[in-house]
Amino acid sequence: EVQLVESGGGVVQPGGSLRLSCVVSGFTFSSYWMSWVRQAPGKGLEWVANIKQDGSEKYYVDSVKGRFTISRDNPKNSLYLQMNSLRAEDTAVYFCARLDTGRISYWGQGTLVTVSS
Amino acid sequence: DIQMTQSPSSVSASVGDRVTITCRASQDISNWLAWYQQKPGKAPKLLIFATSTLQSGVPSRFSGSASGADFTLTIAGLQPEDFATYYCQQAKGFPWTFGQGTKVEIK
Repeated sequence: EVQLVESGGGVVQPGGSLRLSCVVSGFTFSSYWMSWVRQAPGKGLEWVANIKQDGSEKYYVDSVKGRFTISRDNPKNSLYLQMNSLRAEDTAVYFCARLDTGRISYWGQGTLVTVSS
Repeated sequence: DIQMTQSPSSVSASVGDRVTITCRASQDISNWLAWYQQKPGKAPKLLIFATSTLQSGVPSRFSGSASGADFTLTIAGLQPEDFATYYCQQAKGFPWTFGQGTKVEIK
């Protein structure tokens, strides 16, 4: 059974940092592109970032470029999102996701990040 | 960026009804279009990918099609478990973008 479990969310002040983690099981992690997608409270879905199997390619939505970094540790079956210079508008549930060609096939349950003073 | 304009934003329907949701792409996305269902407090679930391919385990009452820049999700014979919010998503180019969502409500 494919499982993705996020952790690391919480309350952080504007300008602060947070690192999200996602541990996966039930599939060969190193064989798949992975992604982070977020959803602000009561709002729609927003794609945040993708990372290739070996970490050699990364893509970001413009609003997080230069502030967020997606990374992975294949031996640990783990995906990460380092978030710096956080803003109020980054407040959202962050989902870890496994990609298949052109689609998000599996999603974690999400972890809530709240940026507030 | 490729904009995905989804309509309607909400629809009221009864069990057994046929429901149609549309997404219009601002640029050519070929068939790089997926549909997701999300229930309150839950993660989204993939329904359809590559415009019309049904994800394994998804009931056949769900179908997808395209006509030019317009992509359509059809639910034929709405069931109680289908009341949810639906999103389209393009994967033709970065940034990947979603439609605004369509909430299917009980009439």
